[in-house]
Amino acid sequence: EAGVAQSPRYKIIEKRQSVAFWCNPISGHATLYWYQQILGQGPKLLIQFQNNGVVDDSQLPKDRFSAERLKGVDSTLKIQPAKLEDSAVYLCASSLAAESSYEQYFGPGTRLTVT
Amino acid sequence: GEDVEQSLFLSVREGDSSVINCTYTDSSSTYLYWYKQEPGAGLQLLTYIFSNMDMKQDQRLTVLLNKKDKHLSLRIADTQTGDSAIYFCAEEGNNRLAFGKGNQVVVIP
Repeated sequence: EAGVAQSPRYKIIEKRQSVAFWCNPISGHATLYWYQQILGQGPKLLIQFQNNGVVDDSQLPKDRFSAERLKGVDSTLKIQPAKLEDSAVYLCASSLAAESSYEQYFGPGTRLTVT
Repeated sequence: GEDVEQSLFLSVREGDSSVINCTYTDSSSTYLYWYKQEPGAGLQLLTYIFSNMDMKQDQRLTVLLNKKDKHLSLRIADTQTGDSAIYFCAEEGNNRLAFGKGNQVVVIP
């Protein structure tokens, strides 16, 4: 079974630039999560999708962050414009359903450095 | 609310036991989890415990839950070099996982 795929693995941008990350969840997983993991901290949930609908985006800084999950499969997370404090690893995870959040499978993450 | 605290660093000799501790605040959490993160990788679910259990054993892993003190621990028996990683505990509330800051375990050969 293929795992959660993310790209790119690394990205370096200057502040005020834009960046996008891509995630392909495990086939058949209805729920997709984007987390932000700042160095030295645990992951923090940014947004959760159930199929192509948003379940929870309460911790997403909506003035600069956006995410979509067209067709309920792949997802993209965008930051526009980036700030220095956005430097972090962005993790994507998926699970069969929202009720089984403990069965989350994580991708390797995208490490973003904002200079 | 959800607030999970962990200590930061633990070094242990290969073959010894490791114990990692965690405190949480949300008494309504149904499940509590332990995740492992190796360098450059995503998080891997190690084990979880249902909130009505006191203990769960899974091969070399033993999870202890003290609901009264909201304290969770993970014991790794016969620690191996491959156990070197950051370990996160997490609590579940409102179908959302809240993670602690993690505990880095370094295994000395």
